[in-house]
Formats: sequence, structure tokens, C-alpha cells
Amino acid sequence: QPQLQESGPGLVKPSETLSLTCTVSGGSITIRSFYWGWVRQSPGKGLEWIGARHYSGSTYYNPSLRSRVTISADTSKNHFSLTLTSLTAADTAVYFCARLPYYHYYVDVWGRGTTVTVSS
Amino acid sequence: IVLTQSPATLSLSPGERATLSCRASQSIHTDLAWYQHRPGRAPRLLIFDASNRAAGIPARFSGGGSGADFTLTITSLEPEDFGVYYCQQYSDWPSLTFGGGTKVEI
Repeated sequence: QPQLQESGPGLVKPSETLSLTCTVSGGSITIRSFYWGWVRQSPGKGLEWIGARHYSGSTYYNPSLRSRVTISADTSKNHFSLTLTSLTAADTAVYFCARLPYYHYYVDVWGRGTTVTVSS
Repeated sequence: IVLTQSPATLSLSPGERATLSCRASQSIHTDLAWYQHRPGRAPRLLIFDASNRAAGIPARFSGGGSGADFTLTITSLEPEDFGVYYCQQYSDWPSLTFGGGTKVEI
């Protein structure tokens, strides 16, 4: 199984934009059998689905976040990214990157997660 | 679709049996997965399609149910089984949702 590693800033200011990257090793993000996505966990709360992208370019987002989220990919670097705009304190969370089998929308591989705090 | 997990916390001894529940607000057929999340680690897929063990998952983990009621059973708990367990539905793609979790204390 591949390994997924999140990277990005640990602290961002309210109203700014968050950019996180997930680097995939031991597998290619161009394999059509998978989606690549993001899940987050706010302090003291459960897991929240953010969205996913397929190699074909198709993207799927949580309706509650759709207006602020973009998931993109750089196949030359074998990584994919999350952009979340107009941040508020409610976006403070641990962000996990994830792999989902195509047409089977559970997460079969997870990253360890990266903590993001939104604060001035 | 809202998933409700119970109990919130389960305190058991090694060797005991754990039964975790996940109830959906509407029928999700068998489109349900279970995950284990231990502190500082990546979550791990245990069960998919309600009852299929993921690769490498020990046989002491089993899942059951269909429609709106599901269970995860851990027979004979091992010390490494502590952590938080989450269910997730994927019947309503792309509006995936997770349950609130059950913490298993050893």
C-alpha cells in the first residue's frame, strides 16, 4: 500500500486561505482505480468529509464546504492539494489525506494527519 | 445521513468481547465502513461493505448488519485494540458522513 504524507502551515490567520499538500509514495496518483481526498477532525469532534478528486479531473466536495474548497493534483510530483478559502476558527482541525477506491467510497489508506490552527 | 454510534465509551479488559453499534438515520443498505484510530497514528480501515474485513485485519474483528443498524464486534480484545472506532456511510456519495465515534478503553 502507498504511504500518504500531509504537509502545510500549522497556523493560518482568519479570512486567509489554507493550502495543504499530500505527497504519495509507493503508488501513483494517476491510477484510475482511486480517488484522492481529504478528511478533517475538529477538536473534540468527529470526522468530517471534505472532498476527493479522480485522476480524470472529476472532483466531489462536501456540500457544506463546496463554495470554499478546491482539490487539485500535480502528477509530476505525485501529490495532490487542498485549498480552503475564507478561513474561520471553525476550520481549526487535524487534516487527513486519504485514498478511496473508485466506486467504493470508503478510505482504504490514510495519512497521519496535520494540525491546522486558525488564529490571529 | 446521520450516523449515531453507541456507546460513547467502552471500558473492557483484555480477552473480553466488544460490541459497537452504528445506527443510520435512513437505510444505507450495506454501504458502511469501520475504522480504528489510535492516537498519533493514521486511521485504519477495518471493515467495508458492512461485513468485509480489509486486508491484514485480524479475524477477531467482524462487522454485521444492513439497512440502518450495524455492529462491529471485537472478540477477545488485545491491548493494541484501544482507540476510537468510527463508522462511515457511503450510500449518499458524495455526501459522506462519519459517526461520532466509540472510544474503547482497555
